Parts: sequence; C-alpha cells; structure tokens
Amino acid sequence: QQQVKQSPQSLIVQKGGISIINCAYENTAFDYFPWYQQFPGKGPALLIAIRPDVSEKKEGRFTISFNKSAKQFSLHIMDSQPGDSATYFCAASMNGDNYGQNFVFGPGTRLSVLP
Amino acid sequence: DGGITQSPKYLFRKEGQNVTLSCEQNLNHDAMYWYRQDPGQGLRLIYYSQIVNDFQKGDIAEGYSVSREKKESFPLTVTSAQKNPTAFYLCASSYFRQGRSYEQYFGPGTRLTVT
Repeated sequence: QQQVKQSPQSLIVQKGGISIINCAYENTAFDYFPWYQQFPGKGPALLIAIRPDVSEKKEGRFTISFNKSAKQFSLHIMDSQPGDSATYFCAASMNGDNYGQNFVFGPGTRLSVLP
Repeated sequence: DGGITQSPKYLFRKEGQNVTLSCEQNLNHDAMYWYRQDPGQGLRLIYYSQIVNDFQKGDIAEGYSVSREKKESFPLTVTSAQKNPTAFYLCASSYFRQGRSYEQYFGPGTRLTVT
C-alpha cells in the first residue's frame, strides 16, 4: 500500500532525445508527487512536483504527466542533455500524523544521456 | 544562505567504533530525517523526528541512534552494532504547510567507510 514503483531501473538516451520515467502507486491517500534529481556523490534535489488535480506540469524541459485513474505519473525530459545524466527518484506524499510513513520514494532510475 | 549542512563529507572509521554524523539546518523546518543509500540503490529511512525531543524508528533503525535536542540539529550515531555501516548517509528536512509536510530537502550527504 505504501510502495511506489518506478521504471525503468536504468535508461540510456541519445542527446536531444526524450527521457521518460514512469511511477505507479497503490494508496489513493497520496496527494502530492515530487521528483528528485541526484548526481553522483550529492544529495537529491527537488526537481518538480505535481498534485493529482493537475494532469500535467511543465518546468523548462521537465514535464510531469499524471493519470489519477491509473494511479500513475511520469517524468518526461525533453531535449535530453548529457548534463541530465543522474539518478531520478519519484516520491509520493500524503497527509497524516506519521511523517515517517507519509513520504515514500521510488527505487530510482539511473539516466545516462549519450553525447 | 539557508540550507542543510552535513559534516564531514567523508568519514573513515575502524570496525567496532561508534561514529556520529552531523546534520544542521537553518531552514526552520520542523521535521528531520536520516536515510541510508548504498551504491546504485534507493533511499532507506533510518530515523525521523517531527519535533524536538521526539524521534521515531524508520525501516532500518537497528544499529543506529539519534537525538533531537534542538530544532536545527539531528545527529546520527552509527554504533558498532550496525553490521554493515559503510554507506552514503543523507539527512533531510521538511516544513509543515497547512498542517502537513509536502517535500523533503536534502543535505549533501556523508560517505562513511568502515574498515
């Protein structure tokens, strides 16, 4: 119920291509979905986030698409660049008193963008 | 300049020694978290604290201890009881908005190597 599934585990994309990372959740109590970007040896950084009342959110080359009925959301990186090579984590957050259980991360996707 | 600081960036210890990792935030965030990340793996929750003088075990608390004497500080002690302590440790914090936490913000991490 608390798990967030993420795919693919790793992704290789040519420069200029579109990178797509998918996540799925079961618990409908989740109501906020942030994405994080982590470079090797660094802490994850908040990239973009979406609420389920919005089907799409775009910030620059990064777009989140949200399908509430399917309980799925995805990150699209347009015009992928070698500098986008990093590990991406999706996450899901819900309201409630137990903060340790109310924020769940996906297992991560390692993206490599070839020059 | 607000943020989360973790020190040291690299830490080396001999097996059998306890070691304390520092985490400080000046974001006035209420909740703080500790995660462990192994190479190529996701984030596993060790401990979290919602308020001062209160903390809860996460998924992998065995062999670790924490304290939360100040809102700004959440140190993690890796004890000799932790079977496999070599890992990348990440501290995070979150603020409450409308009575709940939405995003977590991460520090730069501490890489602990125990030999």
